[in-house]
Amino acid sequence: ETGVTQTPRHLVMGMTNKKSLKCEQHLGHNAMYWYKQSAKKPLELMFVYNFKEQTENNSVPSRFSPECPNSSHLFLHLHTLQPEDSALYLCASSVPGKSTEAFFGQGTRLTVV
Amino acid sequence: AQSVTQLDSHVSVSEGTPVLLRCNYSSSYSPSLFWYVQHPNKGLQLLLKYTSAATLVKGINGFEAEFKKSETSFHLTKPSAHMSDAAEYFCVASPDNYGQNFVFGPGTRLSVLP
Repeated sequence: ETGVTQTPRHLVMGMTNKKSLKCEQHLGHNAMYWYKQSAKKPLELMFVYNFKEQTENNSVPSRFSPECPNSSHLFLHLHTLQPEDSALYLCASSVPGKSTEAFFGQGTRLTVV
Repeated sequence: AQSVTQLDSHVSVSEGTPVLLRCNYSSSYSPSLFWYVQHPNKGLQLLLKYTSAATLVKGINGFEAEFKKSETSFHLTKPSAHMSDAAEYFCVASPDNYGQNFVFGPGTRLSVLP
């Protein structure tokens, strides 16, 4: 248990659906991240939020829309996804500063049909 | 650009034998370095981290890693593999001063044979 909680753990959605992934941490961290983990590919950084402000958008398609209402919560809104978007989506948080590690949630296994 | 290389995509060892997972990084200065483990359909769990203190770092579950600046390496070792060590292992570098730019290696899958 890392202190980072992601819901739901599994999600199946159609290409025309709209859904949201949720990430929550009460570790006092001010940086939060979304990563995408696809089979046979390296972990891909999607978004970084630092003190609720988006500081990195790693050329992610607009069908993925992040939201960070406060330092403890991070959402990833999904709409009109494609089958190739099926993956494990991991949320992480950290304290901004050198030598600090990231704490990861268990991930949401997303399947787009 | 910073990069992390894990030389083996898959390592297979017998239970009770030593484990060596290799990691090299490219950086113009000494980064912070981490090893994470991921069991199937789970998140990533921190095994250990190097933060410019001792070059030999001990982590959880009997794992350790040695930072060698001259070789730009941070290899992960364990004297005796256990069946529960079978998982995916990621070497990660944090090159900048804010700890937010985590650069992941491609991962090494460790299989442990009975």
